[in-house]
Amino acid sequence: DGGITQSPKYLFRKEGQNVTLSCEQNLNHDAMYWYRQDPGQGLRLIYYSQIVNDFQKGDIAEGYSVSREKKESFPLTVTSAQKNPTAFYLCASSIAGISGYTIYFGEGSWLTVV
Amino acid sequence: AQSVTQLDSHVSVSEGTPVLLRCNYSSSYSPSLFWYVQHPNKGLQLLLKYTSAATLVKGINGFEAEFKKSETSFHLTKPSAHMSDAAEYFCVAFPTSGTYKYIFGTGTRLKVLA
Repeated sequence: DGGITQSPKYLFRKEGQNVTLSCEQNLNHDAMYWYRQDPGQGLRLIYYSQIVNDFQKGDIAEGYSVSREKKESFPLTVTSAQKNPTAFYLCASSIAGISGYTIYFGEGSWLTVV
Repeated sequence: AQSVTQLDSHVSVSEGTPVLLRCNYSSSYSPSLFWYVQHPNKGLQLLLKYTSAATLVKGINGFEAEFKKSETSFHLTKPSAHMSDAAEYFCVAFPTSGTYKYIFGTGTRLKVLA
């Protein structure tokens, strides 16, 4: 079935560590996104990419990094510079363009600092 | 600035009674509008989408929404609530202004009472 796969579902980070969240999609979408969701709150955009080898910062990019080497993959690295990384992270994808194409979401990954 | 406002952070209804979740948008352009549902620890699932073809949009699980340009509203309704409808609901806009960024409301948590 087509969809977006995020892994791992649960991840624990020690202070000073970088961790990487995986996101893979087989929907043949050009655009991919990373959102952060804090408990009881809405979604905030971290990074997005409209095409391979190109990406843009979202509203809260500080302390995060991404790469887009393949159309199917958009991994997110949470660096040690992100001081409050505990949150639920959602990866999404859509057809790229100025029309309002439906955005599809993965099942999310929980990151906790220990 | 373009924005989406969900007027209620929490809504409680009794099982079998109607559901109304309110959403207003602010945009210089006619946006594409979406409603998504999120169950605990899950990703967002599309309920329905408006793209100017028809002002009354029917979605999955008996939900529907009506686009009212004069009121800049896109309220979500369901005639009869079911226990399984208890979840977080997000109103989302995609402004047709070339920003390529979806705009999320802060969410409405729906509680269904037995």
